[in-house]
Amino acid sequence: SYELTQPPSVSVSPGQTASITCSGDNLGDKYTCWFQQKPGQSPVQVIYQDEKRPSGIPERFSGSNSGNTATLTISGAQPMDEADYYCQAWDSSTAVFGTGTKVTVL
Amino acid sequence: DVLLVESGGGLVKPGGSLRLSCAASGFTFSHAWMSWVRQAPGKGLEWIGRIKSNTEGGTVDYAAPVKGTFRISRDDSKDTLYLQMSNLRPEDTAVYYCSTPTSSGYSGAFDYWGQGTLVTVSS
Repeated sequence: SYELTQPPSVSVSPGQTASITCSGDNLGDKYTCWFQQKPGQSPVQVIYQDEKRPSGIPERFSGSNSGNTATLTISGAQPMDEADYYCQAWDSSTAVFGTGTKVTVL
Repeated sequence: DVLLVESGGGLVKPGGSLRLSCAASGFTFSHAWMSWVRQAPGKGLEWIGRIKSNTEGGTVDYAAPVKGTFRISRDDSKDTLYLQMSNLRPEDTAVYYCSTPTSSGYSGAFDYWGQGTLVTVSS
């Protein structure tokens, strides 16, 4: 079965840039979405189709996808960005979520 | 505004069954593809399955772990999505979310999520 692997944790200082990777076989051939989830809340989509931002998502969130790796970048991280982040892609008609990354802003 | 409200969760014994509902509003439900996603306590997101709109065949795709024991259906007259779960096991304990890609224009997205409903499988 298809798997998406993320680093368990990423730390970033406020105002700095955080990059979260998502690795999967030929992931660049698929569209990737990214989700932010804060404790006790439902996930929120922050990127879809590799690089598109939904309405209301700050410009500091950006995405890219090439080869075997997709990347979510938070430019100028804010304390409010501290959360779990999940990547997601479709393998045929099956949705696969990544293992998740806890982003700490301190 | 788009609103998804899950209900039907609760405590069920191993081997039991449960039906979850997801009431939708704020968009044309009959045109929407809908998914169920679950999250076990302290764990990551796990996709359960997706149902297409009836105008696009109403096809349902399932994740391998639930195929044969979970069934997704929809009632467009009630703007409601269902998840029928049978032969439940303790490892099915999770918060269950419904989601829809109704605004991005990309059918593979998960644009909106409900608040989730907790299912606990325990004796």
